[in-house]
Amino acid sequence: NAGVTQTPKFQVLKTGQSMTLQCAQDMNHEYMSWYRQDPGMGLRLIHYSVGAGITDQGEVPNGYNVSRSTTEDFPLRLLSAAPSQTSVYFCASSYRGSGNTIYFGEGSWLTVV
Amino acid sequence: TQLLEQSPQFLSIQEGENLTVYCNSSSVFSSLQWYRQEPGEGPVLLVTVVTGGEVKKLKRLTFQFGDARKDSSLHITAAQPGDTGLYLCAGQYNFNKFYFGSGTKLNVKP
Repeated sequence: NAGVTQTPKFQVLKTGQSMTLQCAQDMNHEYMSWYRQDPGMGLRLIHYSVGAGITDQGEVPNGYNVSRSTTEDFPLRLLSAAPSQTSVYFCASSYRGSGNTIYFGEGSWLTVV
Repeated sequence: TQLLEQSPQFLSIQEGENLTVYCNSSSVFSSLQWYRQEPGEGPVLLVTVVTGGEVKKLKRLTFQFGDARKDSSLHITAAQPGDTGLYLCAGQYNFNKFYFGSGTKLNVKP
C-alpha cells in the first residue's frame, strides 16, 4: 500500500529559485492538503483541496501555489524561494467528512539558502 | 497565533510515571484528533473524539474531549520509553480544515 507519496525527500534551493513538491495518493481520497512544520510551531496548513479542480488557502498560503487536476495528485509550487520557507513539508489526504483520519506522507525537507 | 494551544511544550519523565498533555482552544471543533510523530516521519493518528465529554482509552492512553468541544487532554499511565515522541492535537473545523497544535515533545527515560 503506497498511501501518500511525496517527492523529493530532501531539497536545497537558492533564494529566488522555484520548485515543485510532488504529492500523490492512491486511496481515492477527496481531501488533500499541504502543511509545513517548523520547530515550536506544529503543523500549519498552507493550502487544501476538497476535490479535483477545487483548492483553497489555509493559514500560511503566501509564496505557494497549488493545483488539483486529478483526484490523485496535489503538487505544491514554491514560486520564488525564500529562507523563511526552509521547513519540513507534509502532504496529507483524507475522506471528506467529520472525524476522518488524516494520512500523511513521509515529509519533504526543504532548505533555502 | 495558534488556534490550538498545547501544554506543556516539553516533558521529560522517568519510565513508570504518569503524565497529562493538554490541548486548548477558544473555538469549537466538530472533532478532535491526537497524533504521534516520530523523528523523520509523518504524524500517525492515535484517536478521534467527536462527542463533548467523550472519553476513549487506548491501552495506557486515555483521551478526553471537553464538554464544550473546545479542549482535550491525553493522559498516559505508567509511561514507557516507547511512548517517546511528539504528540499533536488537531481540531477539525468546518469539515474541510484541520488545525494542529504546536505539539508536546515527550521523552521517557528508562
